[in-house]
Amino acid sequence: QKEVEQDPGPLSVPEGAIVSLNCTYSNSAFQYFMWYRQYSRKGPELLMYTYSSGNKEDGRFTAQVDKSSKYISLFIRDSQPSDSATYLCAMSASDYKLSFGAGTTVTVRA
Amino acid sequence: SQTIHQWPATLVQPVGSPLSLECTVEGTSNPNLYWYRQAAGRGLQLLFYSVGIGQISSEVPQNLSASRPQDRQFILSSKKLLLSDSGFYLCAWEAPGGAKNIQYFGAGTRLSVL
Repeated sequence: QKEVEQDPGPLSVPEGAIVSLNCTYSNSAFQYFMWYRQYSRKGPELLMYTYSSGNKEDGRFTAQVDKSSKYISLFIRDSQPSDSATYLCAMSASDYKLSFGAGTTVTVRA
Repeated sequence: SQTIHQWPATLVQPVGSPLSLECTVEGTSNPNLYWYRQAAGRGLQLLFYSVGIGQISSEVPQNLSASRPQDRQFILSSKKLLLSDSGFYLCAWEAPGGAKNIQYFGAGTRLSVL
């Protein structure tokens, strides 16, 4: 079993729809949770960062962490074609190492 | 503000040739530095990390090596490339101490070994 599981998709939605992405994990020591956005042939860019459980909102993006269920989510409201990218979840315990999901490819249709 | 540079962006090399990929960070001192390889649909695999000059830790035994000759310079090398070394290589930096475990990535180098 992988330490972090993420459905690779692909996910295709019409413009304006809500995009829902999620990851599950097995290591209960994880306490730092991140979402990265990666455009084709580019490096990942940090989108959201959450420490421990709870919700965090930044504009059209909302990140949720449920440590009891070992489940994290990213929601994108009012999706735009520019949101078309691969979204990677990442998480870590108190050490240096980040564990990544495989990434979900999202296409927002105009 | 901090920036990270990686070059070259694309590289095509024959099997058995040497490799040198360079990564530099600006705007911070004593960062933690990382090299990853990304395979399609398989996420990021950590190859090496460094917490200071000359301090390198290897995560995966392989045909590659890393060096950190200066505080903000991280180099990925190979003496003889294999076909299996093809992939997308990413360098990342993290603030000194790494308390928040937030890593910031460069634009990557796409390596094709033929």
